Amino acid sequence: EVQLVESGGGLVQPGGSLRLSCAASGFPVTGNHLYWVRQTPGKGLEWVSLILAGGRTDYPASVKGRFTISRDTSENTLSLQMNNLRAEDSAVYYCARQGLGYNYGFDSWGQGALVTVSS
Amino acid sequence: SYVLTQSPSVSVYPGKTANITCGGIDIGSKSVHWYQQKPGQAPLMVIYYDSGRPSGIPERFSGSNSGNTATLTINRVEAGDEADYHCQVWDTSTDHPIFGGGTKLTVL
Repeated sequence: EVQLVESGGGLVQPGGSLRLSCAASGFPVTGNHLYWVRQTPGKGLEWVSLILAGGRTDYPASVKGRFTISRDTSENTLSLQMNNLRAEDSAVYYCARQGLGYNYGFDSWGQGALVTVSS
Repeated sequence: SYVLTQSPSVSVYPGKTANITCGGIDIGSKSVHWYQQKPGQAPLMVIYYDSGRPSGIPERFSGSNSGNTATLTINRVEAGDEADYHCQVWDTSTDHPIFGGGTKLTVL
């Protein structure tokens, strides 16, 4: 069974750093494209980082230079290092797996990790 | 960039049919995926590739996509269907995911 379990959320001051982890089971983290997607209260879903199965990474302009996605094949985990955090980064962060198939959707999601950026 | 438009809310009586729409320019040329999100839970895929249904999703859920509108249809709505529903496509120029703003389905 495919499962994604997140950890690492919490309260951090503006300008601070936080690291989210996502433990994957039921598949290798190198087997699918993996994403971090965030959701703010009352707003929709927004992707904030991706790592393709081949290892290429990408970020939207809103977080580029501040967020770094990575994976650990020995631990089968996905991580998101978030630096220089801003109030507008406060959100629930989900790790999500893109299913296999051209332009397939997200077929598995973590339970979400709440990140609050506030002084 | 490509924009997906969803109505903020839809209300329906139990046993009736709910139609939740997702608008976008020529969305019919794209593949649309739909997610159900109940309060405090992660999104769950309920429709893939416009009309496919993942294992475990009731047959009451169906999808269609043509022109500038994709539609998620829920037949014989139940109280347990009350949730936010999000549509999603891929930006073909960047291969980045695009989500609609979500529609809150209320079962009266």
